Amino acid sequence: EAQVTQNPRYLITVTGKKLTVTCSQNMNHEYMSWYRQDPGLGLRQIYYSMNVEVTDKGDVPEGYKVSRKEKRNFPLILESPSPNQTSLYFCASRLLSGGEGETQYFGPGTRLLVL
Amino acid sequence: AQSVSQHNHHVILSEAASLELGCNYSYGGTVNLFWYVQYPGQHLQLLLKYFSGDPLVKGIKGFEAEFIKSKFSFNLRKPSVQWSDTAEYFCASTYSGAGSYQLTFGKGTKLSVIP
Repeated sequence: EAQVTQNPRYLITVTGKKLTVTCSQNMNHEYMSWYRQDPGLGLRQIYYSMNVEVTDKGDVPEGYKVSRKEKRNFPLILESPSPNQTSLYFCASRLLSGGEGETQYFGPGTRLLVL
Repeated sequence: AQSVSQHNHHVILSEAASLELGCNYSYGGTVNLFWYVQYPGQHLQLLLKYFSGDPLVKGIKGFEAEFIKSKFSFNLRKPSVQWSDTAEYFCASTYSGAGSYQLTFGKGTKLSVIP
């Protein structure tokens, strides 16, 4: 089944303790992206990647890192989490070949609470 | 920068009522437009999309949307809602420029359908 998976689905941590949220897709998509969803703000893009070893900042990259060492994986790293990073995080992927009209497919989300 | 506006934060309807959710985009060039739905506790799913051709787009679950270029609008409609349509709805866009594939979201409209 074609899908985007994320782990963990729920995470409670404390300020400053490094964490990684994994994202994997099995559709051979070149483009992958991370979003955060906050009430009243919709979804905002954190980082994206056009292909292996190619990443770039989205609208809200501060406090986050990503890496793209393999095509299927795009982990999100919080080196020193802070309470304002408490949010719902979604990973997404899409083909590039279809142009801007191509659909993005979303993972199930990771709910993060930073105390 | 492009932006997407959704007119209503929360809409409450009775079953069988007709639905129209407003969406306006800011970019004056070629855009691709999407409506996503997020059922409670679930990830985003694509309802429908427009990137060219017939401006009246039909999606899943009986939803449709009309792209009106002169009004910069892409409103979502359904003639008769059901309780199972209770969800949050997001309008989003990408635009054809400089190879950008960023999906820009509106802030979402929460729909509550009363049985």
